[in-house]
Amino acid sequence: DVKVTQSSRYLVKRTGEKVFLECVQDMDHENMFWYRQDPGLGLRLIYFSYDVKMKEKGDIPEGYSVSREKKERFSLILESASTNQTSMYLCASSLLGQGAASPLHFGNGTRLTVT
Amino acid sequence: AQSVTQLDSQVPVFEEAPVELRCNYSSSVSVYLFWYVQYPNQGLQLLLKYLSGSTLVKGINGFEAEFNKSQTSFHLRKPSVHISDTAEYFCAVTGFQKLVFGTGTRLLVSP
Repeated sequence: DVKVTQSSRYLVKRTGEKVFLECVQDMDHENMFWYRQDPGLGLRLIYFSYDVKMKEKGDIPEGYSVSREKKERFSLILESASTNQTSMYLCASSLLGQGAASPLHFGNGTRLTVT
Repeated sequence: AQSVTQLDSQVPVFEEAPVELRCNYSSSVSVYLFWYVQYPNQGLQLLLKYLSGSTLVKGINGFEAEFNKSQTSFHLRKPSVHISDTAEYFCAVTGFQKLVFGTGTRLLVSP
């Protein structure tokens, strides 16, 4: 089974701090994604990557950046955390070869609170 | 562009009753459709998917969904729910680009 591991389950940060959320997958998937999940809004795509050092903006990239230096690791960076970035963050991965038919495999999420 | 509507934010049912969670989508191209489930304090996992072929798709845990192209729907059903089915369910659609999720339906199963 694919395992997607997010380094922190809960995180509390102060406004203005730089925050790193880490995600590692163990099944050699090319695609990796970062979503945020908010009540009533579902999942919204922040950034995705289909290869090492490649990144594409999703629907809500403002205030975020990403890093993919190794195939198995995809990091989400909040350059200067703000209270409106308090949310659940979900990392996911999928195979490139199956295209859009490839299902996503999710981590258990990181609940970030910015005070 | 694709969009997904899950009209019901919450569906309460009693154990062993049937349930239907509704999903409607809009797209100008052919689509792939998915249902994901999120149990409390966990990430999402794939329940079932429709890519092509038979419009009735069977998934894990006794769930099934029917693709209806004319009504642009992909409703999820289970004939008899268990307490353990309490979770949030997300419908998602893709037209060969990125996946678009609905806002989710919380299924609450009570004894």
